[in-house]
Amino acid sequence: EAGVTQSPTHLIKTRGQQATLRCSPISGHTSVYWYQQALGLGLQFLLWYDEGEERNRGNFPPRFSGRQFPNYSSELNVNALELEDSALYLCASPRDRGIAGGMHEQFFGPGTRLTVL
Amino acid sequence: LAKTTQPISMDSYEGQEVNITCSHNNIATNDYITWYQQFPSQGPRFIIQGYKTKVTNEVASLFIPADRKSSTLSLPRVSLSDTAVYYCLVGENAGNNRKLIWGLGTSLAVNP
Repeated sequence: EAGVTQSPTHLIKTRGQQATLRCSPISGHTSVYWYQQALGLGLQFLLWYDEGEERNRGNFPPRFSGRQFPNYSSELNVNALELEDSALYLCASPRDRGIAGGMHEQFFGPGTRLTVL
Repeated sequence: LAKTTQPISMDSYEGQEVNITCSHNNIATNDYITWYQQFPSQGPRFIIQGYKTKVTNEVASLFIPADRKSSTLSLPRVSLSDTAVYYCLVGENAGNNRKLIWGLGTSLAVNP
């Protein structure tokens, strides 16, 4: 089965612009998670979409938003870009519902490297 | 919020066994322990998950003592391709992933 795909691989924007990042989960999977990973840091949870709805959100300002389409692919939009938004943006798709109480095993895409100049 | 503490970096040589220990003093009853591996400019890859005692799969073993306040990822006979960052996570219910704190991980360097 195809894994998680993301596009574009790299994106260069200037401060104040908007960026749109795309993700397709594993075929048949309904959930998509978005993470931000600044250089040299751990992952920060951004958004969780499931069945077309936003289910949870991390501690990020409203200019980080997204949506999930009927085919379960997802889009992350970052408005009014700031220099500190430069990071690797990762999308993940869980294997399944997981064992009771346990965390889902997540499959990550290759990421989109966003650079804000 | 459960928080993990890992060594920032470790060095090893090909063929050796590597043990990376993670401390999680505030682990909750329902929390599981999960380890991921990440190569530069790639997404993390799931390695192993456990709740207590010992778990083993084809790539690693995970040792969890009775008090569950720490865990040790064991990589047998590492090779150069095991050079990566390893993350320890504790938590439950991935739907509330904002409760999962990804630290800086442990940067493992395997030398020839």
